[in-house]
Amino acid sequence: GAGVSQSPSNKVTEKGKDVELRCDPISGHTALYWYRQSLGQGLEFLIYFQGNSAPDKSGLPSDRFSAERTGGSVSTLTIQRTQQEDSAVYLCASSLPTSGLDTQYFGPGTRLTVL
Amino acid sequence: LAKTTQPISMDSYEGQEVNITCSHNNIATNDYITWYQQFPSQGPRFIIQGYKTKVTNEVASLFIPADRKSSTLSLPRVSLSDTAVYYCLVGDDSNYQLIWGAGTKLIIKP
Repeated sequence: GAGVSQSPSNKVTEKGKDVELRCDPISGHTALYWYRQSLGQGLEFLIYFQGNSAPDKSGLPSDRFSAERTGGSVSTLTIQRTQQEDSAVYLCASSLPTSGLDTQYFGPGTRLTVL
Repeated sequence: LAKTTQPISMDSYEGQEVNITCSHNNIATNDYITWYQQFPSQGPRFIIQGYKTKVTNEVASLFIPADRKSSTLSLPRVSLSDTAVYYCLVGDDSNYQLIWGAGTKLIIKP
């Protein structure tokens, strides 16, 4: 079956521009996560959706970051007025609630470079 | 949220068994232990999850002692393709905000 897909795979933008990153989760997965990963580092949690609701937005680094999810499926992460420190790989994952710790299925990521 | 400590890197050779240990001293009663594998330019991939004692699947085994303050991922007969970063995560089904450390970079040599 289809896995998690993300687009674009690579994005190069100029400082100050807005960017929109897209995530298509696995069909039927109710939970969706966004992470940021800098080179050689672990994953930094950004935001979590259960359905269309984001119960905790505290992981978003600043008010330039926002995310939405519509129809319990596709999600977009928007970064306004990009800065060079926003350069990283942005990963999306989806999961089905289960007992224990949910298994997250990750997309390939979007590599964002801010010049 | 339970924090984890793993070695930064490990080396081994093809055909060997590799054991990566993770410390999680403040693990909670409801927490499970999960390991993920990440190759360069890819998202992490689930390997195995356990709560106590031993869990085995087709790719790995997970050993968890009685006090659950640590866990060991065991990869049998590794190959070059097992070169990757391995992450240990601890949490329960209410923990969506998991703490991902830097992981263990495993390098397999011929």
